[in-house]
Amino acid sequence: AQSVTQLDSQVPVFEEAPVELRCNYSSSVSVYLFWYVQYPNQGLQLLLKYLSGSTLVKGINGFEAEFNKSQTSFHLRKPSVHISDTAEYFCAVRYSGGSYIPTFGRGTSLIVHP
Amino acid sequence: KAGVTQTPRYLIKTRGQQVTLSCSPISGHRSVSWYQQTPGQGLQFLFEYFSETQRNKGNFPGRFSGRQFSNSRSEMNVSTLELGDSALYLCASSLGGPNEQFFGPGTRLTVL
Repeated sequence: AQSVTQLDSQVPVFEEAPVELRCNYSSSVSVYLFWYVQYPNQGLQLLLKYLSGSTLVKGINGFEAEFNKSQTSFHLRKPSVHISDTAEYFCAVRYSGGSYIPTFGRGTSLIVHP
Repeated sequence: KAGVTQTPRYLIKTRGQQVTLSCSPISGHRSVSWYQQTPGQGLQFLFEYFSETQRNKGNFPGRFSGRQFSNSRSEMNVSTLELGDSALYLCASSLGGPNEQFFGPGTRLTVL
């Protein structure tokens, strides 16, 4: 079965520090990759996506992610976080050739301290 | 363009009752998916509808059902509610294929 692993359930960081949230997926077939953010009592909001092309993807709010096919990873990074980045972050993968139903990771809680 | 809307936002029911949740997708989106989100299980896929047809189904009991109307609006029904059905139910719409999904704010269901 295809799976998505977010290696850290919680990542505490100080304001203005850099952060990396890790995501690995299980399959080597063609994939489409997404990062979503969820603020308390809200739905998921798309941060960025990789469908094809450049492996470095830039998203909203200063986030970026790099698709690494050989390591089956799609880690999310931000060079300097803000208090308002405190939220839950989900990595999702859609596999080509199938139903396109996305598989979501369990989420990483980013906690930014002042 | 208006986003995905879900009604109601909050719902309290008792065990054994049934509930219907509603979702209006982004205009032009024909794919609507439903997810259950709980702290213990994370995001779990319930089902997907495309052009009024259920195209994919997750691993949930038959108490969970849904439908989609000709205007792409979708409803989800849960019968004979159990305490474990307490969750945030999220609806997401998409153009279909590998495109991203756009999520609504969710309906918080509490079963007492």
